[in-house]
Amino acid sequence: EAQVTQNPRYLITVTGKKLTVTCSQNMNHEYMSWYRQDPGLGLRQIYYSMNVEVTDKGDVPEGYKVSRKEKRNFPLILESPSPNQTSLYFCASSSRDRGPLSYGYTFGSGTRLTVV
Amino acid sequence: SQQGEEDPQALSIQEGENATMNCSYKTSINNLQWYRQNSGRGLVHLILIRSNEREKHSGRLRVTLDTSKKSSSLLITASRAADTASYFCATAGGFKTIFGAGTRLFVKA
Repeated sequence: EAQVTQNPRYLITVTGKKLTVTCSQNMNHEYMSWYRQDPGLGLRQIYYSMNVEVTDKGDVPEGYKVSRKEKRNFPLILESPSPNQTSLYFCASSSRDRGPLSYGYTFGSGTRLTVV
Repeated sequence: SQQGEEDPQALSIQEGENATMNCSYKTSINNLQWYRQNSGRGLVHLILIRSNEREKHSGRLRVTLDTSKKSSSLLITASRAADTASYFCATAGGFKTIFGAGTRLFVKA
C-alpha cells in the first residue's frame, strides 16, 4: 500500500531533550515536506526536500533540523525542544514527475508532540 | 506567510444539501489543491486544479478556479454525514505549498 509512515504517533517529552520524528515513504517520491498544525493557524511548512541531499527552509524552520540521506526517509530533528513546539506534525510526500507537486501530497497520520 | 484563506471558517448543513467553501490567495500559483482532514488525522488529497483550468469535477466534488480574482471554490453536492471534516485549500507556486486555516464542515444526519 502506498503510504507515508510517521513515528511515533504520540510523544511527550521534556524541554531540552533531543528527539527525532521519523518519516518514510514507499512511493519513490522525490519531494518531501514537514508541516506543523496549530489551532487557528492551519498548516505551516517547516522544511522541505526536493531530492536526496537537497533541503530548504519553509516558513517556520527555527528550532528544527532535517536530513535527506535516502530518498525514502526524511526525519525531523528537534535538538532542544521547547514548549512552543508542542504541536501536531505531519510529513508529506509528492512526485515531481511533471513539476513540483503536480499530483498533490500524500500525508502521514501525524505525530502529536507535547513538550513540558 | 499564509496564502490560502478559506471562507467560511465553519459551516453546518443538513444531509443532502450542498456545501460550498471558498478560498482566496494572494500570489501567482501553479496549481491549487483541496484536502480533507478528519479530526486530527492526516490530510487526504481530494482534487487538484491547475492554473490554466477553470473547473474540475471528481464524483460529488466540483472545484472552480478564477485566477483573475485569485479565488477558488469547492462544492460538495448531496452532502452526507461522512463528509463532516475540515477542508483545506493549498496553493502551490514554485517549490512550496501553502495551506489555509481550513473550513470546518458539519453535516447533520
